[in-house]
Amino acid sequence: KAGVTQTPRYLIKTRGQQVTLSCSPISGHRSVSWYQQTPGQGLQFLFEYFSETQRNKGNFPGRFSGRQFSNSRSEMNVSTLELGDSALYLCASSLLGVQETQYFGPGTRLLVL
Amino acid sequence: TQLLEQSPQFLSIQEGENLTVYCNSSSVFSSLQWYRQEPGEGPVLLVTVVTGGEVKKLKRLTFQFGDARKDSSLHITAAQPGDTGLYLCAGKGSGNTGKLIFGQGTTLQVKP
Repeated sequence: KAGVTQTPRYLIKTRGQQVTLSCSPISGHRSVSWYQQTPGQGLQFLFEYFSETQRNKGNFPGRFSGRQFSNSRSEMNVSTLELGDSALYLCASSLLGVQETQYFGPGTRLLVL
Repeated sequence: TQLLEQSPQFLSIQEGENLTVYCNSSSVFSSLQWYRQEPGEGPVLLVTVVTGGEVKKLKRLTFQFGDARKDSSLHITAAQPGDTGLYLCAGKGSGNTGKLIFGQGTTLQVKP
């Protein structure tokens, strides 16, 4: 079956803009988690959605938000972009959440100029 | 706050050498996972260890979970250039969520 897909794969934005990233989980998976990966901080948890509800949130400012649709597809939005938001944004899907294996997508590489 | 410390951060070795990567925490985790990530790709799960003291083998890779479930190690025997990549350990946070707490990662380069 198809893996986790993320679009777009690469994105260049300027400071102050906003961006929306998309994640399509593996068919049948209801949990989608988002992570930010940077060389300095490594992989950090942003939030998890399950059945259209945010179930857990990491320590990121309110500029980072997300949502999940009824078909389990998820989007994350970053408003008022800052240079420090440049990162690889990864989403992972699983059947039910932490008790299941999580499968990661290839990520969206965001560069903020 | 649950943290995972991974060491070493960088490792450059010759083909055929052995190596060990460590993942340590002061917190207890219900399970620990090891991932490998290649450039331009997301992490791929290698193994999950659940029971304290558990040892799992995946070809030339041996994974061990500490008795107290606070640490884990990955040992690679006779490393090959194809083992090159970023190795990440991750522990499942408290509560029934999809949150994974990742170590900083170990970048491994195996030279032919």
